[in-house]
Amino acid sequence: AQSVTQPDIHITVSEGASLELRCNYSYGATPYLFWYVQSPGQGLQLLLKYFSGDTLVQGIKGFEAEFKRSQSSFNLRKPSVHWSDAAEYFCAVGAYNNNDMRFGAGTRLTVKP
Amino acid sequence: GAGVSQSPSNKVTEKGKDVELRCDPISGHTALYWYRQRLGQGLEFLIYFQGNSAPDKSGLPSDRFSAERTGESVSTLTIQRTQQEDSAVYLCASSLEFYYNEQFFGPGTRLTVL
Repeated sequence: AQSVTQPDIHITVSEGASLELRCNYSYGATPYLFWYVQSPGQGLQLLLKYFSGDTLVQGIKGFEAEFKRSQSSFNLRKPSVHWSDAAEYFCAVGAYNNNDMRFGAGTRLTVKP
Repeated sequence: GAGVSQSPSNKVTEKGKDVELRCDPISGHTALYWYRQRLGQGLEFLIYFQGNSAPDKSGLPSDRFSAERTGESVSTLTIQRTQQEDSAVYLCASSLEFYYNEQFFGPGTRLTVL
């Protein structure tokens, strides 16, 4: 079965700085990859997803992610972080032949003023 | 339209008691998922319903856990003889047809087993 690792439990960046959240997956074939955000007191919201095609995926709120098969990675990036981006970010991986979508443990983002 | 709703929002129970958690998906969404989120951890897949097909129960951690769904509407997750390790936030999500369409998550039910 597929699995996903988010190496960073907690990241702190200054407002206006760039951001990269790491995600590594394990799966034998082409995975379905997702990034979700969980803001305090709110439900999870999909930021972006990758199934096939262009490996650079644009999402909502100015986020993007790049699928790198050679590195088994799907890192999330944002060029300039806003205070409202402070939240928990989850990477998830799915597969075409099962319904089991696996989530990483999450990365908590703190934004300094 | 309304989003995914879950009830209760919080549930405190004593060890050994049964609990029932409810999920109302978005109208028209045929796929419904239950996840468990323990404190400081990611989401753990529990069960998946798709239309009238047999549910995928491969994520249920033990036979104390069960879930039902009435057609393409309400789902209930039942935990029998609750244990302290069952304490977690239980999240429900729904989507159009298959999971690789965007899943819309409910606010969750926080279960505390004393």
